Amino acid sequence: NAGVTQTPKFQVLKTGQSMTLQCAQDMNHEYMSWYRQDPGMGLRLIHYSVGAGITDQGEVPNGYNVSRSTTEDFPLRLLSAAPSQTSVYFCASRYPGQNTEAFFGQGTRLTVV
Amino acid sequence: AQSVTQLGSHVSVSEGALVLLRCNYSSSVPPYLFWYVQYPNQGLQLLLKYTSAATLVKGINGFEAEFKKSETSFHLTKPSAHMSDAAEYFCAVRLPGGGSYIPTFGRGTSLIVHP
Repeated sequence: NAGVTQTPKFQVLKTGQSMTLQCAQDMNHEYMSWYRQDPGMGLRLIHYSVGAGITDQGEVPNGYNVSRSTTEDFPLRLLSAAPSQTSVYFCASRYPGQNTEAFFGQGTRLTVV
Repeated sequence: AQSVTQLGSHVSVSEGALVLLRCNYSSSVPPYLFWYVQYPNQGLQLLLKYTSAATLVKGINGFEAEFKKSETSFHLTKPSAHMSDAAEYFCAVRLPGGGSYIPTFGRGTSLIVHP
């Protein structure tokens, strides 16, 4: 049981490049979400999903896309990276009976130069 | 809409001293409240949660928090700090009930423990 797995752990991108941050969970959780963490800002929700085929925007969705084709995977796509997207990204999951994000991945530290 | 305010971006205590991390919330109805801990280079870990049952909530690692509606507070305490408690702590709030409500996180408080 691996929990929530994020890859890669570190990434450096050039402005304008695109990439996908991967998130997978093996707990059959319906709810998954993506957050970004910036110094002094706490965690801000980017996108979330309540099940396969269903996604919705969070607080800071601009510049990011998501899809949820399976219960296990919830990738986050950066369409055209900008320096403002330099951050640490966390994926989280929970099952419907839990009242909050219960399981977090270890994060992806992204730098856009 | 709901929000939380964590008072103090850094709190410094000596080992063995009381830990008090402050969190005040704003919500149109009594919310659900949570505390998380984040150790360096790791994801967040749920410490404890309040979901309208007992107002004094006990969590892992000896932490507890008390929901005070009159003060709109949910402060985190631990009687005796340990060096291993040094971490970042986040308070979070969400609307009550089921469904897909997503929590809103505070900006975090860094706990520093001196020997």
